[in-house]
Amino acid sequence: EAQVTQNPRYLITVTGKKLTVTCSQNMNHEYMSWYRQDPGLGLRQIYYSMNVEVTDKGDVPEGYKVSRKEKRNFPLILESPSPNQTSLYFCASSLNRVETEAFFGQGTRLTVV
Amino acid sequence: DAKTTQPNSMESNEEEPVHLPCNHSTISGTDYIHWYRQLPSQGPEYVIHGLTSNVNNRMASLAIAEDRKSSTLILHRATLRDAAVYYCILRDYDTDKLIFGTGTRLQVFP
Repeated sequence: EAQVTQNPRYLITVTGKKLTVTCSQNMNHEYMSWYRQDPGLGLRQIYYSMNVEVTDKGDVPEGYKVSRKEKRNFPLILESPSPNQTSLYFCASSLNRVETEAFFGQGTRLTVV
Repeated sequence: DAKTTQPNSMESNEEEPVHLPCNHSTISGTDYIHWYRQLPSQGPEYVIHGLTSNVNNRMASLAIAEDRKSSTLILHRATLRDAAVYYCILRDYDTDKLIFGTGTRLQVFP
């Protein structure tokens, strides 16, 4: 089954404690991206990757890092989380073409206290 | 980035057709029009996409204006499971980015 898998689904952490949210896809997609969703602001792109070892900033990259060492994985790293990073996070993947559909993960709800 | 404008909310009765409008007056010639929906507590789900011509699939139809400045997602017979937030999105040709707006919350009544 084609899918994008995020882990964990829920996470409560404290300010400053480094964390990683994993994202994995099984469709051999080149393109992967991370979004955060906040009430009233919709989904905003954090980072994206058009292929292995190629990453670029989205609209709200501050406070986040990503890596793309393998095609299937695209982890989101928060080196020093702060309360304003409390949000719902989604990973997405697709082929590298604008005419193709994107697949989204189920989301990770992060709370930073 | 080209943006889209959608009504905040719409209502429908079950079994009736629903027409969800979207304006994208600053669309460029290479932007694809995508529609996604997000059910409660789930990630966005692909519905349909198109460039210039009208498109049909098993979920919906997409009608695109001749000047491409607007489009309409058509659900032919709404069901309770179609209650969701529907996003009209332009996919950027250069970055492949999906540029989300605030979407239309569709309520379906029995």
